[in-house]
Amino acid sequence: GAGVSQSPSNKVTEKGKDVELRCDPISGHTALYWYRQRLGQGLEFLIYFQGNSAPDKSGLPSDRFSAERTGESVSTLTIQRTQQEDSAVYLCASRPQTAPGQPQHFGDGTRLSIL
Amino acid sequence: QKEVEQDPGPLSVPEGAIVSLNCTYSNSAFQYFMWYRQYSRKGPELLMYTYSSGNKEDGRFTAQVDKSSKYISLFIRDSQPSDSATYLCAMSAGGNNRLAFGKGNQVVVIP
Repeated sequence: GAGVSQSPSNKVTEKGKDVELRCDPISGHTALYWYRQRLGQGLEFLIYFQGNSAPDKSGLPSDRFSAERTGESVSTLTIQRTQQEDSAVYLCASRPQTAPGQPQHFGDGTRLSIL
Repeated sequence: QKEVEQDPGPLSVPEGAIVSLNCTYSNSAFQYFMWYRQYSRKGPELLMYTYSSGNKEDGRFTAQVDKSSKYISLFIRDSQPSDSATYLCAMSAGGNNRLAFGKGNQVVVIP
């Protein structure tokens, strides 16, 4: 596909359940990011992957959040024991690692609602 | 103090007016500056991208960066109803290119 693809587009789940969100970056983009967008707030950085380097997890809000990426392809963001404050849009972005500061390209996000 | 401040107040303008948006920031290491446009239930779409201080023009859009004042602006000339969206400023210091975002401005252009 031409753009960043995220699935599911919407997810409603009960408090305490685990959820897994998926991101397919643009082909050839080695850098991948996850952000969270809560209602009325700006995007918050969660985690960054670059090739086979150790990910930058400095934005993950708690140990209930984790993410994986296989090589330079698909990434999954997992939230365990979901809480109501986890309700947000989770956005994935990718960019080529050809030069510093290359802009990121975003998917349409997964809208997560915790009941 | 948040790294990036963007007054999130909604903005309504008549069609054809100039829209002026701005952000301030506190981190002097930021050197890459972006404006994203986000339509309802869609992801942010890159609108303008500038490096360091200066102006950049693309059609009806002009981005300005003043690093000495830590202030960036976006101007939309001859605004159209299709410009109705939320506009997000974003910036990074390079390196891992983690973006710091403002809260966004919702803009409504009234026909």
